[in-house]
Amino acid sequence: DSGVTQTPKHLITATGQRVTLRCSPRSGDLSVYWYQQSLDQGLQFLIQYYNGEERAKGNILERFSAQQFPDLHSELNLSSLELGDSALYFCASSVAAQGGNYGYTFGSGTRLTVV
Amino acid sequence: AQSVTQPDIHITVSEGASLELRCNYSYGATPYLFWYVQSPGQGLQLLLKYFSGDTLVQGIKGFEAEFKRSQSSFNLRKPSVHWSDAAEYFCAVGALRAGGFKTIFGAGTRLFVKA
Repeated sequence: DSGVTQTPKHLITATGQRVTLRCSPRSGDLSVYWYQQSLDQGLQFLIQYYNGEERAKGNILERFSAQQFPDLHSELNLSSLELGDSALYFCASSVAAQGGNYGYTFGSGTRLTVV
Repeated sequence: AQSVTQPDIHITVSEGASLELRCNYSYGATPYLFWYVQSPGQGLQLLLKYFSGDTLVQGIKGFEAEFKRSQSSFNLRKPSVHWSDAAEYFCAVGALRAGGFKTIFGAGTRLFVKA
């Protein structure tokens, strides 16, 4: 157990639907990062939050959004889902204020299947 | 912009044999360098990291990596591979950029261990 908790572990939904993925960071970590992992794109950085504020954006689609709450848990919202959104979505957390220079702790991921 | 290349998509080694996984990076200054391991169905686990100091870095599970600035490389090594080392290995490069710290992951090298 890495200390980063992601729910649900698996999600199957239809095209056009909206889903919410949840992440609780490791105790004491203030930064949360979301990554998408697919066979053709590899690990793609989506977005980072630090202590409730958006800190950095990567290749995140406009249909996707995220937020970090006062208790530091984070949610990734995916809407108008397409078949190509099927992937593993990872959350990672870091103790560093500036970013991941100490390395990340990853959750076990949410496998999203869009049918 | 930073980038990272893992030239080998997959590697097969015999149990007990030595291992070297290659990683080349591109970045103007000295980056933060990481190796992560991902077992099937799991999230990524940090093996080791480098930013400064001794260019030979020791990590968990008996792994080490050597930073070679002249070759822009950060290869991962293990003197004797165990069957439980079969997994996917990701090299990553991180850097402080405008808007935060960004970590870019390589495409990964899948390690197969034969008896």
